[in-house]
Amino acid sequence: QIQLHQSGPGQVKPSQTLSLTCAISGDSVSSNIAAWNWIRQSPSRGLEWLGRTYYRSKWYTEYVSSVKSRININSDTSKNQFSLQLNSVTPEDTAVYYCARGLATVDYWGQGTLVTVSS
Amino acid sequence: EIVMTQSPATLSVSPGERASLSCRASQSISNNLAWYQQKPGQAPRLLIYGASTRATGIPARFSGSESGTEFTLTISSLQSEDFAVYYCQQYNNWPLTFGQGTKVEIK
Repeated sequence: QIQLHQSGPGQVKPSQTLSLTCAISGDSVSSNIAAWNWIRQSPSRGLEWLGRTYYRSKWYTEYVSSVKSRININSDTSKNQFSLQLNSVTPEDTAVYYCARGLATVDYWGQGTLVTVSS
Repeated sequence: EIVMTQSPATLSVSPGERASLSCRASQSISNNLAWYQQKPGQAPRLLIYGASTRATGIPARFSGSESGTEFTLTISSLQSEDFAVYYCQQYNNWPLTFGQGTKVEIK
């Protein structure tokens, strides 16, 4: 049974870094057929796919252009988890953040983390 | 980036009636289109992929079709648990993109 469990702070100050972690059980972050994603949802931006990482003999990461200069997605094989870092946040980055499994569509989601950017 | 446009924004339907939701892609995406259902406080749930293939455990009252860059999700007879927001998502090109959603509400 595959489960994704998110952790990280629910509030971040403007200009600081948003950091979230997604722990995987029932699958491997270095799977050769899965991809591991960060997706966010807000009333103003809807559902937005931020980026993904996956392993196919080597590691690949892809980011959406709107956050490409500020985002980093890393994997930690020793802990079987992956993480999101979003730098220089503004109130526009306030959203529910989801980690998710899927290369094309998402079949498993984390529980979601509401992150509020506010001083 | 491929833009997905859903219509209508809100659909008011009585239980037992049929609902048809539309999604248009800004360019060709072949049949690389999925539909999700989202209820308040929950993550989206995959309903359909490949434009018309139901995901595991999805009831037969949900069906999908395509015509060029126009896609339709049909719920043949709405049950109480079907009132929710529905999103389409293309996976033909990176970045993967969602439509803005159609809320199906009780009439």
